[in-house]
Amino acid sequence: LAKTTQPISMDSYEGQEVNITCSHNNIATNDYITWYQQFPSQGPRFIIQGYKTKVTNEVASLFIPADRKSSTLSLPRVSLSDTAVYYCLVSGGYQKVTFGTGTKLQVIP
Amino acid sequence: NAGVTQTPKFQVLKTGQSMTLQCAQDMNHNSMYWYRQDPGMGLRLIYYSASEGTTDKGEVPNGYNVSRLNKREFSLRLESAAPSQTSVYFCASTPGGRDFLGYTFGSGTRLTVV
Repeated sequence: LAKTTQPISMDSYEGQEVNITCSHNNIATNDYITWYQQFPSQGPRFIIQGYKTKVTNEVASLFIPADRKSSTLSLPRVSLSDTAVYYCLVSGGYQKVTFGTGTKLQVIP
Repeated sequence: NAGVTQTPKFQVLKTGQSMTLQCAQDMNHNSMYWYRQDPGMGLRLIYYSASEGTTDKGEVPNGYNVSRLNKREFSLRLESAAPSQTSVYFCASTPGGRDFLGYTFGSGTRLTVV
């Protein structure tokens, strides 16, 4: 099972772009990379998913290099409402997956 | 479309009491999961069910049992609650299969054991 490593916390000012990098050196061929956002007292919420190269949706971009051993979640122009914990998850199907402690993003006015 | 529904939302138990946490999904997903999250921690997998009729242990199964009642429902039972089981419990589901589409989580059950 792929283990992920992320920074424990990050601070950013409102309006800035935030990049959170996740390392997953032993990612398997059929694993996808998925990022989740969790607010206090809520379940994690799906943000974005990718397999390789770049994926973009209305809230974020996900950059995955060719070797797939890391990935970077990019949040454009963050606001105070983006303050949350962000989890990187590597999985393919119904594997036994445990979330790490995630990255606590604090957006500062 | 409710997604994943968990009941109850809050519960206080005395040590030694038993209870069952209920989870139901209406997305026709094959796989379902139970996680616990302790304060300031990530989510840890308790049990999961890859498909109807199967269950398997996760990282922290001790003190819990599960039942995959049908494709929609996956319950978690605490037979004899302990203070160490005070936590927030999340149920989740995925479509399963080759095209992994990510988890959908319920809103959680906050359990306190005194």
